[in-house]
This record gives sequence, C-alpha cells and structure tokens, in this order.
Amino acid sequence: DAGVIQSPRHEVTEMGQEVTLRCKPISGHNSLFWYRQTMMRGLELLIYFNNNVPIDDSGMPEDRFSAKMPNASFSTLKIQPSEPRDSAVYFCASSKRGGGGLLHEQYFGPGTRLTVT
Amino acid sequence: GDSVTQMEGPVTLSEEAFLTINCTYTATGYPSLFWYVQYPGEGLQLLLKATKADDKGSNKGFEATYRKETTSFHLEKGSVQVSDSAVYFCALFNQAGTALIFGKGTTLSVSS
Repeated sequence: DAGVIQSPRHEVTEMGQEVTLRCKPISGHNSLFWYRQTMMRGLELLIYFNNNVPIDDSGMPEDRFSAKMPNASFSTLKIQPSEPRDSAVYFCASSKRGGGGLLHEQYFGPGTRLTVT
Repeated sequence: GDSVTQMEGPVTLSEEAFLTINCTYTATGYPSLFWYVQYPGEGLQLLLKATKADDKGSNKGFEATYRKETTSFHLEKGSVQVSDSAVYFCALFNQAGTALIFGKGTTLSVSS
C-alpha cells in the first residue's frame, strides 16, 4: 500500500501567488482531512470530506482557502492569493468511516512544507 | 468544547531513562483516545489507542492507560532510545466521532 501521497513536498512562492496542494488518499478510504501545522498554533483541522463531500470546513481560515475533492482518489487545497502567514506544513490524512459514521484510524501523508515570501 | 492538553516540551532525556508525557482531556462522554508520533520530516503515525475507560494501549514499548477518573491518558515508556526522538501528540475523537482533536504536541529528544 502506497499510503497517503502528497505533492509537492516543498513549495516556495511569493506573496500573492496561487498555491495548489495535492493529495491522493489510500484506496478504499472514504474520509479525507486537511490539516495545517505551525509552531504557534500546532495542528489545526482545516476541512474534511466524507465520500467526496465537504462535511466541515469551519477550520478554513479565510476565503482565500478552498478545497475540492472531485473524486475518491484526489483532493486539492488551494490558497489564492497566498500570504506569508500561510507558511506552514500542510498534511492530508485519510480514513475509513464505518457504520454509524464512526471514524477509524487516520493515516497521514508526509506533508507539504509551504513557504510564502 | 472537546479539548486536549499536553505537557509543554521539549522533554530531554538520556538513553534508557523513563519517559512520561502527560495528557489530559475535556470531553462529553468517553471518547476514544490516541497517541500519535511524528518523526522528523514525516507525517503523523498512530502509536497506540484506547477506546474505553481502563483500557491500556501499547506499542513499541510505549503504554498509556485511559483513566476516566482523572480524564488522563499519560504516555509512558520504561527505557527510551535515541530513535524515540520525535514529537508526540495526544488526541481524541470529537463528540460525534467524526474528527480527531489534537493536543499541541510534545517534543522528545533522547541523547546517547
């Protein structure tokens, strides 16, 4: 099993540019999560999907952030326009959601380190 | 709302020392509890879990017991190794069981 795949692993961009982060969840998993990790705020849940549908996006910091999941094997997190305070490591995680909506173990990708200058 | 509080790090130990990382939680009911570990440059990995009160999760020499009386889930290891150097996160399921809530993480550094 390849695990959760994220790309790129590192991204350096200038303020104002659009940034797109990509995630391929583990095959057969029906829930996908985007997290942001910073020294100041720790690990924050941004948004999660269940069966490709966004369920809770209350963690998305601003309208500059958007996420999509067009199919079960691909998701994107887009920041437009990017700002220096968006610099962080962004993780994607996937999981199976069983009967009754209960969540099983989450598997994390290696993360994308974003630097906005 | 539900929350997790971990001891502040960093924790610095010599090899073979005893490790305790404290974790307490606030939640409605009795949520499943987890410890995740993040090695440098990697994503988080599940280390152990406990799904009900008095359960003990264990893996790779690490243990944690679900204590509902003290709402705690402290992580312990009897003899740490240099390879255990990492960031450790305590977490719980939210009330609906639909998402994880993480603590801020505790950095462990083990020297030989």
